[in-house]
Amino acid sequence: GAGVSQSPSNKVTEKGKDVELRCDPISGHTALYWYRQSLGQGLEFLIYFQGNSAPDKSGLPSDRFSAERTGGSVSTLTIQRTQQEDSAVYLCASSLLVNPQYFGPGTRLTVL
Amino acid sequence: AQTVTQSQPEMSVQEAETVTLSCTYDTSESDYYLFWYKQPPSRQMILVIRQEAYKQQNATENRFSVNFQKAAKSFSLKISDSQLGDAAMYFCAYRSGNSDKIIFGKGTRLHILP
Repeated sequence: GAGVSQSPSNKVTEKGKDVELRCDPISGHTALYWYRQSLGQGLEFLIYFQGNSAPDKSGLPSDRFSAERTGGSVSTLTIQRTQQEDSAVYLCASSLLVNPQYFGPGTRLTVL
Repeated sequence: AQTVTQSQPEMSVQEAETVTLSCTYDTSESDYYLFWYKQPPSRQMILVIRQEAYKQQNATENRFSVNFQKAAKSFSLKISDSQLGDAAMYFCAYRSGNSDKIIFGKGTRLHILP
């Protein structure tokens, strides 16, 4: 596709449920990033992939968060047993080599 | 570890005027890249401008320009002839030359006054 896409654009879930957020990067981009942005705040780095491997998982806030990337393309961020503090916008970005990141429109997650 | 600091949480500027957003960073590396991103209310992050640390010339993109002071580790963004559509959150970001990880500042919310 022409840009980074994310689905769903909005997700409302109940506390304790699992959610999966999907990111489709720009075709050919080798690096893929996940960020979390709480209301009115900056970007909190979660994890990034180079190809299918994740050299840096340091930003994942707890073991309830996991991410995978298959085929060097699509990535899924999974949050298990969601909590209200997980409510945020989850942004995905992709890049190629030293070029800038290009961001998707984000998924707004609301945990009731 | 590298850090990026944006000391102005919010700023306002009159339409058609010029505004400068501040950004400082801390690094011991010599090879790196700096970026400014814009995030309008639609929440889509948009790259505004990019600067390679090895380039002495300040980057310029139409009404947007930077003042890159490498020794001072400062990377400010100047917006000339401000327009209503410039209202957004602006993030300064740093990327090491040997890493894919990008570090963002906390952002500056820019208001444009008609």
